[in-house]
This record gives sequence, C-alpha cells and structure tokens, in this order.
Amino acid sequence: DQQVKQNSPSLSVQEGRISILNCDYTNSMFDYFLWYKKYPAEGPTFLISISSIKDKNEDGRFTVFLNKSAKHLSLHIVPSQPGDSAVYFCAAGKTGANNLFFGTGTRLTVIP
Amino acid sequence: DTGVSQDPRHKITKRGQNVTFRCDPISEHNRLYWYRQTLGQGPEFLTYFQNEAQLEKSRLLSDRFSAERPKGSFSTLEIQRTEQGDSAMYLCASSSTQGARSYGYTFGSGTRLTVV
Repeated sequence: DQQVKQNSPSLSVQEGRISILNCDYTNSMFDYFLWYKKYPAEGPTFLISISSIKDKNEDGRFTVFLNKSAKHLSLHIVPSQPGDSAVYFCAAGKTGANNLFFGTGTRLTVIP
Repeated sequence: DTGVSQDPRHKITKRGQNVTFRCDPISEHNRLYWYRQTLGQGPEFLTYFQNEAQLEKSRLLSDRFSAERPKGSFSTLEIQRTEQGDSAMYLCASSSTQGARSYGYTFGSGTRLTVV
C-alpha cells in the first residue's frame, strides 16, 4: 500500500512564479518528512526536511509546510527558476525505523 | 569526498544470470541503504546496514537477493537468477546516525539493470 502519495504527476510554472508541490500520507506514526529533487540519470538529492513538531521549515527559496491533522505537506518554491525543473519526491520516516517511504514524484517544469 | 559511488552505472543481463552491484558510501557515514526504483514509482526500501551489520530487510528482498557490507565500508548487492521483473534502478544511499532525520540520505546515481 502506498503510504505516501503525490497525486500530481506533473506541474508547469512560469519562471519567477511560485511552485507548490503537494504530498499526502496515511501513516500517523510518521514523524519526519523530507523532500528530494531528482535530475535525469542522477540519484535523488536531499532538499529540505521537517519534523512533526513543526509546521513550517524554510531554507532560502524553499519552504515546507506540514498539516498533521490533514496528513498533508507541501513544498513551496519562490521564485521558481528554470534550474528547478526536476522530479520532486516527498518522503516520510518514523523514529525507530530505518527506512523512508517515498511518494511517486511530481515532475516540475519551470518555463522561462 | 566525492559522495556515494555506484558501479556499474548500467547493466544489461540475460534472464537467469547473476549480477552484482557495488556501492561506496561517504566514508564518514555508518549507515548504508539499498533502494529500488521502477518507472513511475518512487524509491522502495530494500535493506539497511549499520556499519557491517545488516539490520533490516524488506519483504521485497527475495531469497534471490543478497547484500553485504563486509568491513563496514563498501557494499555489494547480488541478484541471482535474474528475472525480467528485476529490471529497475538500484539506488544506494548513506547517512550518519545523527543526520538522517534532518539531512536525509545521500544517494548515489544508481545502477540501471535491464534483464532481457
């Protein structure tokens, strides 16, 4: 069963605008979440994380929001740049476990 | 440090053959993970090592799969009697104990296996 879901396979955004990527999860035991970015022919690259004790974490142009009651998180990229074009994966983990559960990814295209 | 290295980058094999992949993690990282990614899916956990000890295996890891990390440094993943369903990208990742939650894993570029 898919415990982490990314329901939008793709997203196109104009350069300079905001990109919002969404992720839902089903397991309430998850207590930390991460976003990864993946370019073709490369492995996923860590982008930003958030603990379940927070509802927001910001790093430069990237902000992750967590809504625990809705079991939903989102990644905001402002302003979007063409170099942000990649596949973005949401991942979740839980204390005491040694693996991450990944969503199926959202392909972001930033149009110049 | 050049990050996580995986070898080979691509492997084409005939059904029924055995294949072995190698992963060299970041030297300071004591944790090593193998994941598998198929087309249109996210990475799926296969197995986890802390130093040389294999501490967790997914049910995805059938008895045809075996992984080792003999001296707590590099790791190998072997698939015996390959099947077409084994065709996938095999990703290796490493992390420190303290950093996994906050900084995630560092992934290698993967080994793409095609079974014909």
